Amino acid sequence: DAMVIQNPRYQVTQFGKPVTLSCSQTLNHNVMYWYQQKSSQAPKLLFHYYDKDFNNEADTPDNFQSRRPNTSFCFLDIRSPGLGDAAMYLCATSRIGIRTADQDTQYFGPGTRLTVL
Amino acid sequence: DAKTTQPTSMDCAEGRAANLPCNHSTISGNEYVYWYRQIHSQGPQYIIHGLKNNETNEMASLIITEDRKSSTLILPHATLRDTAVYYCIVRYDNDYKLSFGAGTTVTVRA
Repeated sequence: DAMVIQNPRYQVTQFGKPVTLSCSQTLNHNVMYWYQQKSSQAPKLLFHYYDKDFNNEADTPDNFQSRRPNTSFCFLDIRSPGLGDAAMYLCATSRIGIRTADQDTQYFGPGTRLTVL
Repeated sequence: DAKTTQPTSMDCAEGRAANLPCNHSTISGNEYVYWYRQIHSQGPQYIIHGLKNNETNEMASLIITEDRKSSTLILPHATLRDTAVYYCIVRYDNDYKLSFGAGTTVTVRA
């Protein structure tokens, strides 16, 4: 089945130690998103890629970076994780066409739960 | 994006219909109403969306009032697996972002 895959499902890192979370998709969607969801809160968009174009949300800290080497893969890099970065990180994809009405729904992966010690 | 207001929580009996209300009184003409749900420890799952007309799919029905200021998501026969947080989101057709609110925690009881 076509899907959004996130690895690992659980990640433990140390305070200040860089960590990378990965996301892959078999949907061939042109847009990939990264959301952060802290405990008991709603998901919050960090950034997204529209094809190769990176779009950062205004309030996303510089500590968070992303790479999209090809259509199928997208990575979230946290350069120096702090205790406040412990959260579930959700990857999502969608297909957006040329016409504004040509917008598909977002499909989410299962998430990676990050623990910072 | 228009803000949405949903009840914090609601209970539903298994096998009965669950009616989830959402207020979006400041919605504009080209904003869609989307519903997602998130089962514990899983990613959000798309349920349904609509602009003006009522919509139905295999998961649920969406009823939008004529003035579009509110809507209701209907789960026709709730099961225990429908226990989740349900998010009502309004979104421009050319807006990439899904702006999640607090949602409604729905608990289906046997």
